[in-house]
Amino acid sequence: GENVEQHPSTLSVQEGDSAVIKCTYSDSASNYFPWYKQELGKRPQLIIDIRSNVGEKKDQRIAVTLNKTAKHFSLHITETQPEDSAVYFCAAGSGYALNFGKGTSLLVTP
Amino acid sequence: GAGVSQSPRYKVAKRGQDVALRCDPISGHVSLFWYQQALGQGPEFLTYFQNEAQLDKSGLPSDRFFAERPEGSVSTLKIQRTQQEDSAVYLCASSLDGEKLFFGSGTQLSVL
Repeated sequence: GENVEQHPSTLSVQEGDSAVIKCTYSDSASNYFPWYKQELGKRPQLIIDIRSNVGEKKDQRIAVTLNKTAKHFSLHITETQPEDSAVYFCAAGSGYALNFGKGTSLLVTP
Repeated sequence: GAGVSQSPRYKVAKRGQDVALRCDPISGHVSLFWYQQALGQGPEFLTYFQNEAQLDKSGLPSDRFFAERPEGSVSTLKIQRTQQEDSAVYLCASSLDGEKLFFGSGTQLSVL
């Protein structure tokens, strides 16, 4: 089955800096790669996703890149703000079958 | 409704007790998923429904776990004879396209 590795497990940045979270996956059949944000005690929420036929996608301060050959994808957050502090999960899969990484706890300090 | 609703929000059970966790998906969402999230971990897939049909239950940890969605809307996850290792947050998610998941707030189960 699919195995998704995510790193780093924790990340601390100063407000205004960029943050990058990386994930690797094992199953070359995976074609859908979403990112979820989970604030403390709240539900995971989809923030951005990318499909295997696209190499990069951007939405305001958030971007995701995908390297199918190397089987890795990354989340980039620019101009970080304190409200970006949360746990971020990557996932990989095809159809309905999604496998999640273990999460990255991002702390943005003012 | 505004989103996926789960109840109860918290459940404390004594070891050996049966529990039932409820999920109300977003109206019109055909797909429904149950995930288990241990502390500090990502969600782990348990089971998937398309309407009332349970198409995949490969993630259910044991035969003590049972899920149903009899009318293709509300779903219940039942755990029989709970054990300490069942303690986790149980997340329900629904989806219109089977991929973009809308999660509920989860039920935090503590087995003592």
